[in-house]
Amino acid sequence: EPEVTQTPSHQVTQMGQEVILRCVPISNHLYFYWYRQILGQKVEFLVSFYNNEISEKSEIFDDQFSVERPDGSNFTLKIRSTKLEDSAMYFCASRAGGPIQYFGAGTRLSVL
Amino acid sequence: SQELEQSPQSLIVQEGKNLTINCTSSKTLYGLYWYKQKYGEGLIFLMMLQKGGEEKSHEKITAKLDEKKQQSSLHITASQPSHAGIYLCGADLNSGYALNFGKGTSLLVTP
Repeated sequence: EPEVTQTPSHQVTQMGQEVILRCVPISNHLYFYWYRQILGQKVEFLVSFYNNEISEKSEIFDDQFSVERPDGSNFTLKIRSTKLEDSAMYFCASRAGGPIQYFGAGTRLSVL
Repeated sequence: SQELEQSPQSLIVQEGKNLTINCTSSKTLYGLYWYKQKYGEGLIFLMMLQKGGEEKSHEKITAKLDEKKQQSSLHITASQPSHAGIYLCGADLNSGYALNFGKGTSLLVTP
């Protein structure tokens, strides 16, 4: 069964460093999303991406964040200068033309 | 902005018992999604409801969206340890299907 793949599963970084979280969406999907979940809190929408551009973004998705689809299979989330409060689980999701999103297993980002 | 309140926050049930989880929205729901979250497996899609009064079932899990489309319930019949996890309800934030989630209900099923 096709699935969304995220790497790495756990990323540890120092405050101020740049990180790139990687996602391989399901192959025939066209819409891509990033969400995050801070420990003990709800899953929050960050950004959606379609046709090589951002469709929607939340207030959380500020200038420190960027997304890219560098090739036909990968979808990345970059955080330019990480802060302690960026520590969270980051989930990638994708969907085909219908409304149902399929999520990856997540990347746990720990900022020290 | 829309708020999704889930109740209860956590639930411990004995194997074989039935249980219900509720999700109440502050606004009319146009698409309501139930996901299950287990550590290391991300969010697993369970069901989607769109129409008032709609009811869907998959194996021993049934989800309903009430007529007024502001509340959904998830019912598990004859619970098993494999049902353990965190159940999340989500609703469409906008036309692009970005999801707004509730805080989740943590379910533990004891032998």
